[in-house]
Amino acid sequence: DVKVTQSSRYLVKRTGEKVFLECVQDMDHENMFWYRQDPGLGLRLIYFSYDVKMKEKGDIPEGYSVSREKKERFSLILESASTNQTSMYLCASNGEKISYEQYFGPGTRLTVT
Amino acid sequence: LAKTTQPISMDSYEGQEVNITCSHNNIATNDYITWYQQFPSQGPRFIIQGYKTKVTNEVASLFIPADRKSSTLSLPRVSLSDTAVYYCLVGMYSSASKIIFGSGTRLSIRP
Repeated sequence: DVKVTQSSRYLVKRTGEKVFLECVQDMDHENMFWYRQDPGLGLRLIYFSYDVKMKEKGDIPEGYSVSREKKERFSLILESASTNQTSMYLCASNGEKISYEQYFGPGTRLTVT
Repeated sequence: LAKTTQPISMDSYEGQEVNITCSHNNIATNDYITWYQQFPSQGPRFIIQGYKTKVTNEVASLFIPADRKSSTLSLPRVSLSDTAVYYCLVGMYSSASKIIFGSGTRLSIRP
């Protein structure tokens, strides 16, 4: 079974803090994704990585950056957390070139106070 | 961009067949249609994917008409455990800008 793990299920941070969300997958997948999920808005893609050190902006990249130094690990960084970044953050991965079968992690619920 | 439109919510009863339709009028030639299921406090889980006509697996069927401007997810004989949010996704891997989830359909199954 594919396993996608996220470093925390729940996280509380203060406004202005730098926040790191970590995601690890164990299936040697090329592609990894970060989404945020908010009530009424569904899932929105923040960033996408199709290879080590490669990244592409999604729909809502503002206020976020990402890092992929190793194939299995994809980090989402909030340089200076703000209250409007309070959300559920979901990481996903897949290894197919023409497929949307993504494997999701359990999510991190981030609260910024 | 191929945005999708789904009903916000649906209700049904155990043992019934449930059909959830997704509209995607601007679907591109290379786009695939994918459906996910999400339970509370969990990440979405892949259900089924198709390009045209009909696809069936052990969980669901996906019907896609010839013009591909809509698709219907069919869940046979639902149970209480099928209560979840169902997302329709249209797009292709090659560009992140084409990865768009719909707002989802909240399906409630009653005994």
